[in-house]
Amino acid sequence: GEDVEQSLFLSVREGDSSVINCTYTDSSSTYLYWYKQEPGAGLQLLTYIFSNMDMKQDQRLTVLLNKKDKHLSLRIADTQTGDSAIYFCAEKAYDMRFGAGTRLTVKP
Amino acid sequence: DTAVSQTPKYLVTQMGNDKSIKCEQNLGHDTMYWYKQDSKKFLKIMFSYNNKELIINETVPNRFSPKSPDKAHLNLHINSLELGDSAVYFCASSLRTPSSYEQYFGPGTRLTVT
Repeated sequence: GEDVEQSLFLSVREGDSSVINCTYTDSSSTYLYWYKQEPGAGLQLLTYIFSNMDMKQDQRLTVLLNKKDKHLSLRIADTQTGDSAIYFCAEKAYDMRFGAGTRLTVKP
Repeated sequence: DTAVSQTPKYLVTQMGNDKSIKCEQNLGHDTMYWYKQDSKKFLKIMFSYNNKELIINETVPNRFSPKSPDKAHLNLHINSLELGDSAVYFCASSLRTPSSYEQYFGPGTRLTVT
């Protein structure tokens, strides 16, 4: 299994909030990231959070970090059909480790 | 003004052949990476290069060899291609400084071995 774990699928209706969860294992991780991958494209960095923070907000995106439980989440407010993609959680300790990706499907 | 570019975008070849994938970044980054993404979308780091030194090699078969002519380029050479090498290969780059280490990815090269 992967060191960084995510649920594989999430389906929401347009306008609802989406919450994508991730757990990681390396307590020495300094940075945690969320990447978005659209079909046929590379990974696009959405946001990141430093390990001494517990929350970061960037427009419709809110990242929550629970360092004690090694749990990271990404909340997308007012989800749009253009948000449909695969979202990867990643941790940076010695190197970068990615989760398997959560496929978000937004239904109109 | 593409940040990280890869060529080719698609590569179809037969088993046993030797092929190369090129990567270039114009971000002024000092570290470049190659990742392999399999059909289940698992992303695994293969190599990273910092100042022309290989700093990570994740038990990749020695049929794969990265070559970096300069800081802006990291090419991936693959010898004796096998069916299991079919995947999407992503190049990425970052700054290896006391910062966020965020990596910027290329668009990927879809390799199909027949």
